[in-house]
Amino acid sequence: SQQGEEDPQALSIQEGENATMNCSYKTSINNLQWYRQNSGRGLVHLILIRSNEREKHSGRLRVTLDTSKKSSSLLITASRAADTASYFCAPSGAGSYQLTFGKGTKLSVIP
Amino acid sequence: ETGVTQTPRHLVMGMTNKKSLKCEQHLGHNAMYWYKQSAKKPLELMFVYNFKEQTENNSVPSRFSPECPNSSHLFLHLHTLQPEDSALYLCASSQDPSSNEQFFGPGTRLTVL
Repeated sequence: SQQGEEDPQALSIQEGENATMNCSYKTSINNLQWYRQNSGRGLVHLILIRSNEREKHSGRLRVTLDTSKKSSSLLITASRAADTASYFCAPSGAGSYQLTFGKGTKLSVIP
Repeated sequence: ETGVTQTPRHLVMGMTNKKSLKCEQHLGHNAMYWYKQSAKKPLELMFVYNFKEQTENNSVPSRFSPECPNSSHLFLHLHTLQPEDSALYLCASSQDPSSNEQFFGPGTRLTVL
């Protein structure tokens, strides 16, 4: 398994603005997932992007994947106060089923 | 709700106590996981069970003892813990270990005095 590293560690924006957070990883992957965690709660799966995909959308979420740069980004458009949470990426290599999480990006959306 | 429940949600115990954490999933999944999340540290995978069999033990101290009586239930038995074991303990499940998407419970906030 390999660990993704999220950047920035913390992000504070006004409600209605877009939030972008990034993930870098070290070795080749089969897919990469993004999860959200509200304070002191469990993680919630947001989106999975496969290595042969470059972009994926889900509601206000847009995920991109650049395998040549070994990086992914998560864009949240028109942010809401309820989006305040920590966001984690989890890259997964071939034959690997363990998810290894980084320290996450802590997003604060100010009403 | 994710379909994964955990009890208790909060637990305070002394170092000499014995307690158990319970996880139940209502998703028909075959794989279950225990994670530990300490303050300011990444989420750490502790144990993986597939079809009730333990397939991973990531060098977890023996004071943590998992039990998986069936594919829907997972326990973590705690014995003579240390204050540094205080953390949020998360249970997750997936269709099988090769299915990357995991569904997490809300966690048990454990405080060891």
